[in-house]
Amino acid sequence: DVKVTQSSRYLVKRTGEKVFLECVQDMDHENMFWYRQDPGLGLRLIYFSYDVKMKEKGDIPEGYSVSREKKERFSLILESASTNQTSMYLCASSSGLIIYERALTDTQYFGPGTRLTVL
Amino acid sequence: AQKITQTQPGMFVQEKEAVTLDCTYDTSDQSYGLFWYKQPSSGEMIFLIYQGSYDEQNATEGRYSLNFQKARKSANLVISASQLGDSAMYFCAMNLGAGSYQLTFGKGTKLSVIP
Repeated sequence: DVKVTQSSRYLVKRTGEKVFLECVQDMDHENMFWYRQDPGLGLRLIYFSYDVKMKEKGDIPEGYSVSREKKERFSLILESASTNQTSMYLCASSSGLIIYERALTDTQYFGPGTRLTVL
Repeated sequence: AQKITQTQPGMFVQEKEAVTLDCTYDTSDQSYGLFWYKQPSSGEMIFLIYQGSYDEQNATEGRYSLNFQKARKSANLVISASQLGDSAMYFCAMNLGAGSYQLTFGKGTKLSVIP
């Protein structure tokens, strides 16, 4: 079974603090993703990475950065946390295998989530 | 652009009954994949079932099946014999264009199973 773990289930930080959210997967997946989930807005992609040291911006990258130094680990960094970054953060990984002609599309597997509160 | 619509914000179903959760999608691609995820109150998104646009058969996984109607662009999730543990948010998603790794999600449907 795919296992995606996140460093914290609950986190409380103060405005202006630098925050690190860690995600680790144990399935040798190529792709890793960070989402935030807010009521009424659904899941929104912040960043994703398709290889070590590679990253691409998602829909809402402002105020965030990411780091992927090792294949199994993908970190989300809030350089200076603000109250509007209070949210549920979900990490996911996928194998990176797509067979285009058969529309076999990558399945993303999620971690348990981190509920971040910024005071 | 790809778009997923889930029109039912909330649904109730009696235990042991079947329930259908609606999902319609919009895409101009011929090749795409559709996914359903379950999110219990604990927060983790659990992958349930996948349907490829070229799959001739509707996908099934245990008590979950997908009623895939390509011409109508719908991919409804059917849960048979509902259990109390099925109470959760359910999200429909599709990949963001042919060959894309990214998914776009619907807003979700909250299912409540009544004893």
